[in-house]
Amino acid sequence: NAGVTQTPKFQVLKTGQSMTLQCAQDMNHNSMYWYRQDPGMGLRLIYYSASEGTTDKGEVPNGYNVSRLNKREFSLRLESAAPSQTSVYFCASHGGAGVGNEQFFGPGTRLTVL
Amino acid sequence: EDQVTQSPEALRLQEGESSSLNCSYTVSGLRGLFWYRQDPGKGPEFLFTLYSAGEEKEKERLKATLTKKESFLHITAPKPEDSATYLCAVRSRDDKIIFGKGTRLHILP
Repeated sequence: NAGVTQTPKFQVLKTGQSMTLQCAQDMNHNSMYWYRQDPGMGLRLIYYSASEGTTDKGEVPNGYNVSRLNKREFSLRLESAAPSQTSVYFCASHGGAGVGNEQFFGPGTRLTVL
Repeated sequence: EDQVTQSPEALRLQEGESSSLNCSYTVSGLRGLFWYRQDPGKGPEFLFTLYSAGEEKEKERLKATLTKKESFLHITAPKPEDSATYLCAVRSRDDKIIFGKGTRLHILP
């Protein structure tokens, strides 16, 4: 049981390049989330998916796209990276009502855009 | 619009000096309020979930309480290892989960 996995752990891009951040969970959770974290800003919600086949914008969706490929996987794509997207990206999943009712987080991806 | 505001932004305490962190929220149909701890360079670590006004939960030196508009994280007789950023989050009826900016807590030995 790996929980939430993210790839890659680190990435350096040049302005204008594209990339996809991958996320997978093996807990059979319905909901998945992408956040970015900048110094002093807490976690800001980019997009979320409340169930397989649905996606919704969060607080800071501009410049990003997402795909809920199946129940396990939720990817985040940067089509044309900008220096303002330099951040740490966390993927999370949530199983709904139940014990703890907590979100489970991946280890994070540190992205630098030059 | 759903919103989470945490105060203070930063707090320095002497070891053993008790205090409280505040989390004010507005949300459409609260389905849970969460407290997390985050150490530098790591992901958030789950502490508590609260569901309804009047609910309280405790874990070691930490106690979380909830009212209809805010939550408090009380820290009793803190130790240096309690130093971290504490994050508050709320889950709305459409399963959106948003966070506040956090409180950076530093406990001096």
